[in-house]
Amino acid sequence: DIVMTQSPDSLSVSLGERATLHCKSSQSVLVTTTNRNHLAWYQQRAGRPPKLLISWASTRESGVPDRFRGSGSGTEFTLTITSLQAEDVALYYCQQYSTTPLTFGGGTKVEI
Amino acid sequence: EVQLVESGGGLVKPGGSLRLSCAASGFTFSNYDMNWVRQAPGKGLEWVSSITSSSTYIYYADSVKGRFTISRDNAKNSLYLQMSSLRAEDTAVYYCAREMDSSGSFDYWGQGTLVTLSS
Repeated sequence: DIVMTQSPDSLSVSLGERATLHCKSSQSVLVTTTNRNHLAWYQQRAGRPPKLLISWASTRESGVPDRFRGSGSGTEFTLTITSLQAEDVALYYCQQYSTTPLTFGGGTKVEI
Repeated sequence: EVQLVESGGGLVKPGGSLRLSCAASGFTFSNYDMNWVRQAPGKGLEWVSSITSSSTYIYYADSVKGRFTISRDNAKNSLYLQMSSLRAEDTAVYYCAREMDSSGSFDYWGQGTLVTLSS
């Protein structure tokens, strides 16, 4: 199984400041047949289901503000929130979908 | 508007069974692979099972293999999870999730249904 490790566990950032979240996979999630990184980021606000923010490591979903940016390749990935807003307080999870079992990281809690 | 509505959760004794349902609307259900993902109280997300659009391929997490069965009825726009031999560690909110373009990422999630194991 591919183990996804997120860091830090929690992050306190001032409004308007940058938040940087990390995700590392135990094996590469770059799939040669697609030449894409099979890595997604989700946001989960309190009491709500997860919401897909970014797929293919760096493709923002429709309606997701451009302050959310995904980057990385292979085994190391980053989610950057360039200017934190109050509504960004949430848990953030990375997920690999290169192979089953599909696996998630343990999450990073972003606070203000 | 895409909607996924889970039902069937509740309180069950260890060793018991339960069947979860997910009613889909707002999209052509038969075109999409579907999944169940669970979240234990205060914990992270765990993928449980997936089923392809025509039920050709089915996958399970090792933690539920042999105990849970995923199925779907495309005529009824519904996804199911039959759970048996339930254990305390199966206590979780169970989410139905639509797979984006058969990729393995999940673009729509239901609100979830809570399954609680207690004797």
